[in-house]
Amino acid sequence: AQTVTQSQPEMSVQEAETVTLSCTYDTSESDYYLFWYKQPPSRQMILVIRQEAYKQQNATENRFSVNFQKAAKSFSLKISDSQLGDAAMYFCAYRSAFSSNTGKLIFGQGTTLQVKP
Amino acid sequence: EAGVVQSPRYKIIEKKQPVAFWCNPISGHNTLYWYLQNLGQGPELLIRYENEEAVDDSQLPKDRFSAERLKGVDSTLKIQPAELGDSAVYLCASSLGVASGPYNEQFFGPGTRLTVL
Repeated sequence: AQTVTQSQPEMSVQEAETVTLSCTYDTSESDYYLFWYKQPPSRQMILVIRQEAYKQQNATENRFSVNFQKAAKSFSLKISDSQLGDAAMYFCAYRSAFSSNTGKLIFGQGTTLQVKP
Repeated sequence: EAGVVQSPRYKIIEKKQPVAFWCNPISGHNTLYWYLQNLGQGPELLIRYENEEAVDDSQLPKDRFSAERLKGVDSTLKIQPAELGDSAVYLCASSLGVASGPYNEQFFGPGTRLTVL
């Protein structure tokens, strides 16, 4: 079974600074997708960034980028130029690429990010 | 375009009472998911529908939980009878087509926060 682990329950960053959230996962599958989701207090889960395991190039979306280390099974999220609106709970998630398992997102425990003005 | 709609947003009931949650997915989305999110944890999949068919309900506690998706659109999740441990957020999500590929994004609703007294 696949597992996702986020070892940082809480992180804080100064506005305009950079912060990195950590995520590790365990799987025996060779093809899969990884995601970072943001969940603000409103509870609406929002997709931040996605990474395909077969792609070596790290994904980027504006101020958000990932460091994907497939051999180490590590998938960290870097937020640059942090803004007050980035404050939320962030979840790392795994999804299999195999048809029998597709659709099911496996989430980590989450990291609460505080942004200080 | 309207997002995933869930109701009610909050529900407080006494233990042993029944409760139902309703979800309206994004128009045209054939795949619908129900997730359970305990406080401070990541969501866990309860059931996934492809149109009207429940294709993955292995994590649904079938002794007290039931779900239906009539006509392949709206879905209802029911608990009868509710227990204290059922207090959590119940999230609904939907995605377009068959749940494969990294770009078949799951869009989440705001969830229903259930409190069982």
